[in-house]
This record gives sequence, C-alpha cells and structure tokens, in this order.
Amino acid sequence: GDSVTQMEGPVTLSEEAFLTINCTYTATGYPSLFWYVQYPGEGLQLLLKATKADDKGSNKGFEATYRKETTSFHLEKGSVQVSDSAVYFCALSVAGGTSYGKLTFGQGTILTVHP
Amino acid sequence: DSGVTQTPKHLITATGQRVTLRCSPRSGDLSVYWYQQSLDQGLQFLIQYYNGEERAKGNILERFSAQQFPDLHSELNLSSLELGDSALYFCASSRLLGGSPGELFFGEGSRLTVL
Repeated sequence: GDSVTQMEGPVTLSEEAFLTINCTYTATGYPSLFWYVQYPGEGLQLLLKATKADDKGSNKGFEATYRKETTSFHLEKGSVQVSDSAVYFCALSVAGGTSYGKLTFGQGTILTVHP
Repeated sequence: DSGVTQTPKHLITATGQRVTLRCSPRSGDLSVYWYQQSLDQGLQFLIQYYNGEERAKGNILERFSAQQFPDLHSELNLSSLELGDSALYFCASSRLLGGSPGELFFGEGSRLTVL
C-alpha cells in the first residue's frame, strides 16, 4: 500500500536557521505530493504541492522538489521564523483507482523555533 | 478559515457511550473525508463520501459509521466508545472525486475525550 515516512522530530531551531524535514514515500501509482502544516489549535492547511517528477512546490519561503528517482519530497526553508513553529505533515495522493483523492500522511514533524 | 465547519469542537463522554460528530464542507465541495489524529497512530484516514455515496474506506472500526446527507453535510457516528477512541477527528472536503488530486480543506477538528 501507499505510505509516507518523515524524519522523526521534534526539531528545535533558532530563528534564521536553515530547515530540512525529510520525507520519502512508497506508492503503487504515480502520486502527487503535498506538505501540510498544522498550527497549534488549528486544522491542517496546505503549504505546498507538486504533481509530477522534478516539480518544485514553494510557498511562504518553503520549498520541496518531487524526486522520483529517490522517492523523496524533502521540505526546506532557508531562514525559519518563530511563527513557523508548527507540525508539518508530508502526504501523497494517487490519482484514479479506488483512492479517490484521499491523502496518505506521514507521522508529522514538530518544529519549534526559538528567538 | 478553511470554510469547513465541524461541531462540536470538544466533547467529553464515558466509555460505552455513543457520539455524533458533524461536518459542513466548503460551499460547492462534494467530497468529504474523515480522519482520526491520535498521538500513537498519527493521522489515519477513516472514510470518504462523494455526493452522498461512500467512495473509500480506510481504518474505520465497525463501531464507527458515517453518512453524507443530501445537503452534503456529513456525520461520523462513534458507538460503544472505548478509552482508545480519544482523539482529534478531522473532516476535510474537496471539490474533486479523484482524477487530478487537489487540495483538501480541513476543519479545526472535534476533540473527543473518553473517560
């Protein structure tokens, strides 16, 4: 079945540090890949996405590149802020078949950024 | 604000009881998804409905059931509750059934505590 594996957290950084959160996937079909973010007390919201190999998704200074050869979609940000403290989820969705667009999530990575 | 409304936000009940969680999707969205988020299991897909019909089933227990009504709102029924059912239950919606995977819009969740 489809699965997503994220680096274990929690991750604690100082403000302006570089962030990488690793994500690898296994999929039976050709997936689209997503990063979702969950701020404290809120639901998940889409951060960025990529729908085909070598696509780069980007938003709010975050980037991730769809690497088919390594089945990876690592999240990066060059300079984190305190406001980036949240839980980050990598996810995939496979078109067609019986999945009907549902997302399969990784376990989530807690990011804490200190001033 | 994602446009997805979930009620109640918090619910405390006893083992053996039954509860109903309600979700109103974004205007125009025909697909509704239910997810369970717990510390040990992460985000688990439970079930998906599209325009009133069940389309995909995940790790949903037999004690749980769901339905989507003609006005497209959905309800998740949890019965014979156990301590392990304590979790955050998210509803998400999207316009698409499948095909080109798109963004899911999440509500803020219903936190269920079983004592």
